[in-house]
Amino acid sequence: DSGVTQTPKHLITATGQRVTLRCSPRSGDLSVYWYQQSLDQGLQFLIQYYNGEERAKGNILERFSAQQFPDLHSELNLSSLELGDSALYFCASSPFLAGEETQYFGPGTRLLVL
Amino acid sequence: DQQVKQNSPSLSVQEGRISILNCDYTNSMFDYFLWYKKYPAEGPTFLISISSIKDKNEDGRFTVFLNKSAKHLSLHIVPSQPGDSAVYFCAASGRDDKIIFGKGTRLHILP
Repeated sequence: DSGVTQTPKHLITATGQRVTLRCSPRSGDLSVYWYQQSLDQGLQFLIQYYNGEERAKGNILERFSAQQFPDLHSELNLSSLELGDSALYFCASSPFLAGEETQYFGPGTRLLVL
Repeated sequence: DQQVKQNSPSLSVQEGRISILNCDYTNSMFDYFLWYKKYPAEGPTFLISISSIKDKNEDGRFTVFLNKSAKHLSLHIVPSQPGDSAVYFCAASGRDDKIIFGKGTRLHILP
């Protein structure tokens, strides 16, 4: 158990809908990262928050947005969903900033868009 | 443009032998490299890392080698055990704090 929790575990929805994925980092970790893992891709970095502020951005679509709240939990919002958004979404946390720090991953949210 | 490449999607190794997983990168600005292991239905877990100022880092059965001139790193597992069967991701980071992952290599340890 990494100490990172993600809810829900599974999510099935329809195209055009909007969903929110939630992540609670390990106690004391200030950084939260979001990743997408689809069948033909490795782990794709989406976005990083550090202590409530956006810190780094990866290949995140404009239809996707995220935020980190004062209690350090984070939400990833996916809107106007398309079939291709079906993937595993992982959240990870680390004490400070990335680079030399190990990230601790949550179990992931499996999203299926029908 | 894939900056971190794991060219072998899968690898099968006999139990007790050495497993060697390879990773190539294109960005010379990467200064830290990590290996993560992932079991089905779980998130990746950190395995071992290496800074670009080193060429080798060892932790028990796991050793990572870095060849900066070739932009290549490898993970050696010896001896391989059944519990090592998993997907292994190579990752790299630079000063921009982004971590770039490879697509992973599925390792099968054969009895």
